[in-house]
Amino acid sequence: DVKVTQSSRYLVKRTGEKVFLECVQDMDHENMFWYRQDPGLGLRLIYFSYDVKMKEKGDIPEGYSVSREKKERFSLILESASTNQTSMYLCASSPRTGAKPGANVLTFGAGSRLTVL
Amino acid sequence: AQSVTQLDSQVPVFEEAPVELRCNYSSSVSVYLFWYVQYPNQGLQLLLKYLSGSTLVESINGFEAEFNKSQTSFHLRKPSVHISDTAEYFCAVMISGGYQKVTFGTGTKLQVIP
Repeated sequence: DVKVTQSSRYLVKRTGEKVFLECVQDMDHENMFWYRQDPGLGLRLIYFSYDVKMKEKGDIPEGYSVSREKKERFSLILESASTNQTSMYLCASSPRTGAKPGANVLTFGAGSRLTVL
Repeated sequence: AQSVTQLDSQVPVFEEAPVELRCNYSSSVSVYLFWYVQYPNQGLQLLLKYLSGSTLVESINGFEAEFNKSQTSFHLRKPSVHISDTAEYFCAVMISGGYQKVTFGTGTKLQVIP
């Protein structure tokens, strides 16, 4: 089974702190994604990456950056956390279209619930 | 750009009753359609998908969805729900042949009442 592991299940940070959310997948997937989930708003795409060192902005990239130095790891960075970034953050991965079984299907991690005080 | 609308934020239904969760999408190009489910305190997991072929797709736990191109809909149905179906359900769309960027709806919480 594909496994997507998010390093922290719960985090509490203070306004202005730098926050790192780590995500690792073990199935050699090319694509990786960061979403945030808020009640009534569903999932909104922050950033995605389709290859090592490549990144694309999603729908709400402001206040976030990402890093993908290795294929299996995709990090989300909040340079200066703010209270409106309190949310559930979900990482997902998928194989490139047509490349492998399960293409077009996202596999999600369990999520990281971030509270910014 | 594509978009997804789930009009019902919450759907309460009695156990063993049928249920329909509505999903409409908007896109100017061909799309793939998905339903994902999120059980309490878990990440999302795929329930079923439509990529091509038969417009009626089924999941292993009795859900089905029908792709209706003329009505741009992909409603999810189950003829008899169980307590274990209590979860949040998300409809999602992806442009076929694109970068695999997936756009999600706002979710529908299905509450099965004993």
